[in-house]
Amino acid sequence: EVQVVESGGGLAQRGGSLRLSCAVFGFTVSGSYMSWVRQAPGKGLEWVSLLYSDGRIDYPNSMKGRFTISRDSSKNTLYLQMNNVRAEDTAVYYCARDWNGDMIIDDWGQGTLVTVSS
Amino acid sequence: EIVMTQSPATLSVSPGERATLSCRASQSVGSNVAWYQHKPGQAPRLLMYHTSARATGLAARFSGSGSGTEFTLTITSLQSEDFAVYHCQQYENWPFTFGPGTKVD
Repeated sequence: EVQVVESGGGLAQRGGSLRLSCAVFGFTVSGSYMSWVRQAPGKGLEWVSLLYSDGRIDYPNSMKGRFTISRDSSKNTLYLQMNNVRAEDTAVYYCARDWNGDMIIDDWGQGTLVTVSS
Repeated sequence: EIVMTQSPATLSVSPGERATLSCRASQSVGSNVAWYQHKPGQAPRLLMYHTSARATGLAARFSGSGSGTEFTLTITSLQSEDFAVYHCQQYENWPFTFGPGTKVD
C-alpha cells in the first residue's frame, strides 16, 4: 500500500530554519517524481518544489533561494529544508507523489503544519 | 506563470442535485488539467486528469470537459461524501499551478 507521511512541522521563528521530512512506503522515493505543495490559511494550493526521479530539481521563481528539496534513498525519505522563513511561509505542507512522470499528483500525504511567528 | 481561476468560490447544492464547477486558465493549457478533491484534515485526492480521464475507482457521476482555457468539472446527483473543496491544476507549463478552489457545501 502506498503511504506518504510528513513530519517536522511546528512553530518557527521568523528568519529561522525548519526541515520537513516525508517518509514513503510502498514505493521508492527515487523512482517517482516527488513534490512539496503548500496551502496557506485561506489560500489555494501552491507548488513549492519538484524533485524528478533523475535528480533534477525545479522550484517556482517565488520559492528559489530559501527552500531546498532533497531525498535519501537509503531512508526512502524526501526532505524540504526551509531557511530564513517568513510569516507568509505559514501553511500546511504536503508531500506528493507523481508515480509515472505525467505531472499529475497521484498520492498525497496528510500534511504538516508550519507556523512562522513574528 | 499561468494563473488558474475557479468559479464560483462556493457552490451550495443539495444531495441529489447537479454541481457544475468552472476553471479558467490565463493562457491555453491544452487538455493538461487535473482536478483534486480536498476535505478538511485529509490528503487531497486526484479525481480527473487530462481534462476528462477519471482516476482509478472514481465514480461515474464525476465528469470533466473543456480545452484551452475553459474547463468544467460536473458532479451529477451529488452524494453526501462529495461535499469538499475542489481544485483544478494545470500541468502544461512549469510552475504547475492550482486554482484557489471551489467549496461545495
